[in-house]
Amino acid sequence: GQSLEQPSEVTAVEGAIVQINCTYQTSGFYGLSWYQQHDGGAPTFLSYNALDGLEETGRFSSFLSRSDSYGYLLLQELQMKDSASYFCAVSLLGDYKLSFGAGTTVTVRA
Amino acid sequence: DGGITQSPKYLFRKEGQNVTLSCEQNLNHDAMYWYRQDPGQGLRLIYYSQIVNDFQKGDIAEGYSVSREKKESFPLTVTSAQKNPTAFYLCASSSPGQGSTEAFFGQGTRLTVV
Repeated sequence: GQSLEQPSEVTAVEGAIVQINCTYQTSGFYGLSWYQQHDGGAPTFLSYNALDGLEETGRFSSFLSRSDSYGYLLLQELQMKDSASYFCAVSLLGDYKLSFGAGTTVTVRA
Repeated sequence: DGGITQSPKYLFRKEGQNVTLSCEQNLNHDAMYWYRQDPGQGLRLIYYSQIVNDFQKGDIAEGYSVSREKKESFPLTVTSAQKNPTAFYLCASSSPGQGSTEAFFGQGTRLTVV
């Protein structure tokens, strides 16, 4: 099966930078995705890494190290609207299965 | 507009009854998924389907059943064998075979069994 670990909670102030780590254990790893979910809403896609390195999308960046089975999501210039849960998810080679971590709740304070 | 639709948004059922949750997509996606989310928890995979007339068990398939008779539709039945069915159920679709890894989610169905 697949195993993903990420911190349960992170709190930061507006304008700060937050890094959410995700470590995974799986066979047939293909890529790592990140999703955001506001309370009671549907998860929405943020970013995807299949190769090692950093992917930047506006204030959000995502990093992957395949050799370390590790990735992170970096949230910069935090805004109140960034208060939400963030999930990492692994995709498998040759299989459409998509498995999620337990999520990290980010709370942004004024 | 293209998207993924789940219905109903809220569902109440008596214990011991089977209930079917609807999920329809018009994105022409091959893959569809059902997840269960409990309060403050992550998304746990129930079933997924890569193609019409084929589906695979996820991590918590016991007490659930699915069908994929049409590309657009992937209904989930919560059976009486599911011991704790009260939860938030999310359906998603994606098209990995076309090089896109992004999964699109419906707005969810909140099932309460009394």
